[in-house]
Amino acid sequence: DAGVIQSPRHEVTEMGQEVTLRCKPISGHDYLFWYRQTMMRGLELLIYFNNNVPIDDSGMPEDRFSAKMPNASFSTLKIQPSEPRDSAVYFCASSFSGQMNSPLHFGNGTRLTVT
Amino acid sequence: QKEVEQDPGPLSVPEGAIVSLNCTYSNSAFQYFMWYRQYSRKGPELLMYTYSSGNKEDGRFTAQVDKSSKYISLFIRDSQPSDSATYLCALLISNFGNEKLTFGTGTRLTIIP
Repeated sequence: DAGVIQSPRHEVTEMGQEVTLRCKPISGHDYLFWYRQTMMRGLELLIYFNNNVPIDDSGMPEDRFSAKMPNASFSTLKIQPSEPRDSAVYFCASSFSGQMNSPLHFGNGTRLTVT
Repeated sequence: QKEVEQDPGPLSVPEGAIVSLNCTYSNSAFQYFMWYRQYSRKGPELLMYTYSSGNKEDGRFTAQVDKSSKYISLFIRDSQPSDSATYLCALLISNFGNEKLTFGTGTRLTIIP
């Protein structure tokens, strides 16, 4: 089991550019989560999917952020246009049948720097 | 007021010492209590999981929950340099299939050889 795979590991971009973060969850997991981690605010849930359907996107900061899950093995988080305050580590996580019965498995994150 | 409060540290202790990490919370609806460990430049990984008040032990690690005080703790006995990491508490509400997991901001721990 390769675990949750995220790409790229690092992304440096200029303000105003579009950024796309990618995630491959663990095979068989039907929940997928996108988190953002900063020193000040810790881990914040942005959005999560169940069986490829977005369930709760109340954590998405604003319309510049969008997430898709076209199939069970792939998800993207897009920021357009990017701003310096979006600089953070973005984590994707997956789990099987919800968190009561199954822990979150995190990827190693994408470190985003917007200059 | 944040729902979950955690002292960010950093906390440095000598090898072999007992470490105590703590979180407080304000929402009595939290039902499940977890500790995640995060090594530098890695994602968090689940360390301990409990749903009731009292203690749960796993090797050198003990998770303690006091629901009446809304206080949870993680104790590490005989601490090792490999325990150096950031420890995040995570609290879960599960309500008719809707789940909400709230993380503390994490405590950075360094074990000094």
